[in-house]
Amino acid sequence: DTAVSQTPKYLVTQMGNDKSIKCEQNLGHDTMYWYKQDSKKFLKIMFSYNNKELIINETVPNRFSPKSPDKAHLNLHINSLELGDSAVYFCASSQSSGQRIPYEQYFGPGTRLTVT
Amino acid sequence: QQQVKQSPQSLIVQKGGISIINCAYENTAFDYFPWYQQFPGKGPALLIAIRPDVSEKKEGRFTISFNKSAKQFSLHIMDSQPGDSATYFCAASLHHRKLIWGLGTSLAVNP
Repeated sequence: DTAVSQTPKYLVTQMGNDKSIKCEQNLGHDTMYWYKQDSKKFLKIMFSYNNKELIINETVPNRFSPKSPDKAHLNLHINSLELGDSAVYFCASSQSSGQRIPYEQYFGPGTRLTVT
Repeated sequence: QQQVKQSPQSLIVQKGGISIINCAYENTAFDYFPWYQQFPGKGPALLIAIRPDVSEKKEGRFTISFNKSAKQFSLHIMDSQPGDSATYFCAASLHHRKLIWGLGTSLAVNP
């Protein structure tokens, strides 16, 4: 059973398009995250939701909008895609105590987004 | 203040050797120091973690050494194997609110 799954695994699209990435976790966790990993492997937290409430919102362009329909799902919608958005996007989840973020996070396999 | 500085950027070790990756930090408010391992095409996975009141933690061939006064911690991989070839990230937990990540070390273990 896949703990944290993401779809699609690969996404190739043109500049200016709008795209979505979906994430689902079956671990029963209450906190989910979106990370961006660039070509140099740098991992940057983008968003975090705890029980469907946004608790981390790093400096990310407004073109990125997360949506959490329930505790097990966190989707990422990107408007007006730019070349610089090309990266691998990872979803992760964890079980938190209140809004305390634990250091143990479970990552999905990633979605490689290529903007041409 | 919120950075975690990781070195080296890349490391090549012979099979059976010891791999050592170092991290340094400034913010004394960090409350946990995990290491993550990432294989190509996969997401990072927690490898081992240490609290700042512990000087060493060992799990199998993996050991974290923590020097609170120097604000440094390191990952030692004993008897390194080709299967250990991966990217390793140190991180620090800040007030249990988020993880601050190092830039990663690409480890290659030659057979």
